[in-house]
Amino acid sequence: KAGVTQTPRYLIKTRGQQVTLSCSPISGHRSVSWYQQTPGQGLQFLFEYFSETQRNKGNFPGRFSGRQFSNSRSEMNVSTLELGDSALYLCASSLNGQGSIQYFGAGTRLSVL
Amino acid sequence: TQLLEQSPQFLSIQEGENLTVYCNSSSVFSSLQWYRQEPGEGPVLLVTVVTGGEVKKLKRLTFQFGDARKDSSLHITAAQTGDTGLYLCAGASSNTGKLIFGQGTTLQVKP
Repeated sequence: KAGVTQTPRYLIKTRGQQVTLSCSPISGHRSVSWYQQTPGQGLQFLFEYFSETQRNKGNFPGRFSGRQFSNSRSEMNVSTLELGDSALYLCASSLNGQGSIQYFGAGTRLSVL
Repeated sequence: TQLLEQSPQFLSIQEGENLTVYCNSSSVFSSLQWYRQEPGEGPVLLVTVVTGGEVKKLKRLTFQFGDARKDSSLHITAAQTGDTGLYLCAGASSNTGKLIFGQGTTLQVKP
């Protein structure tokens, strides 16, 4: 069974640009959650999608958005990038949502210059 | 806002030593998960504890969930270099349905 796949693995962008990250969950998993991981703040929850609907949202500005497709694949978009957006972005899939076991991808390392 | 405080943040020990990592909160969680993350990878689940007072053992790792379901600990016996990594606890909120992560404990086991 294939694991969670995140693409791309690495990205370099400049301030003001926008970026789209992709996540393919484990087959059969309907929940996809996104997290931002930085050395200073740890793992911060961005949002969770379940069956194409955003079910939970963290405390991030509106520049961070996401969506989920009918095949459960999810994308995350960050507009008007800031230096502080540099981080490892992790996606996790699960069968039933946040309370159940999270299976993480290897992440996308975003560097904003 | 529910918070999970993990301690210590950093731990550097010699191979063969024992260690304990703590995860504390003032909130009650329906379950608590422990993950380990290695460089360049995403976190991988080690264990889930659900019942207050529950103790689970995974080889040299012992996990405990507090009686009140507000805290948890991870004890490693005779640490090995392969135990090196970032250990994260995560509590599932019964109110919001969100999973809240602690800040993590970076463990370095030296040969």
